[in-house]
Amino acid sequence: DTEVTQTPKHLVMGMTNKKSLKCEQHMGHRAMYWYKQKAKKPPELMFVYSYEKLSINESVPSRFSPECPNSSLLNLHLHALQPEDSALYLCASSQEWGSTDTQYFGPGTRLTVL
Amino acid sequence: GDSVTQMEGPVTLSEEAFLTINCTYTATGYPSLFWYVQYPGEGLQLLLKATKADDKGSNKGFEATYRKETTSFHLEKGSVQVSDSAVYFCALPHSGNTPLVFGKGTRLSVIA
Repeated sequence: DTEVTQTPKHLVMGMTNKKSLKCEQHMGHRAMYWYKQKAKKPPELMFVYSYEKLSINESVPSRFSPECPNSSLLNLHLHALQPEDSALYLCASSQEWGSTDTQYFGPGTRLTVL
Repeated sequence: GDSVTQMEGPVTLSEEAFLTINCTYTATGYPSLFWYVQYPGEGLQLLLKATKADDKGSNKGFEATYRKETTSFHLEKGSVQVSDSAVYFCALPHSGNTPLVFGKGTRLSVIA
């Protein structure tokens, strides 16, 4: 099973709302990732977790707050977002951080900020 | 730094036509190379990969050969179908690590 699941599939929120995106994998992978993808662009890396610890933050604004409660789950907490944050948010996982293992992506959460 | 250059679309083909999407890379050493596909409204799916020079990745009728002499990993399919309409991304690990460096993507439209 090479499945990464993400919820919700779609999310509409106002600029004052607080919401969370969730990602789950049961492949025993120890590296998990958040990407942001704008229309007609490739995904851009936001965060990397390795063994439940944050390894990379690609200078992401603090209104995005990642959390890795255990080795299977990855959350992205959203607060005070801007309309330009509207995008497809993709979660991915791989066996290990720091190797060239295949990354498996979830279906994404399509976020609209009003 | 590591980078990927792929042909920009959109590419429009008739059903059963031959497909080539070019991808070249710049990297230190010989990284693994990947093709991902993104169908409309969906996330990315791994289409195929190659882990060393002269490897050929294949899946769903698509093929790509890792050519170190030309630093290329072109995607080919002999006979495309309408269901192949999607965006295709060539990618490699950045500096040997798992953060992926993606090409800009090539949108393929196949018409019946």
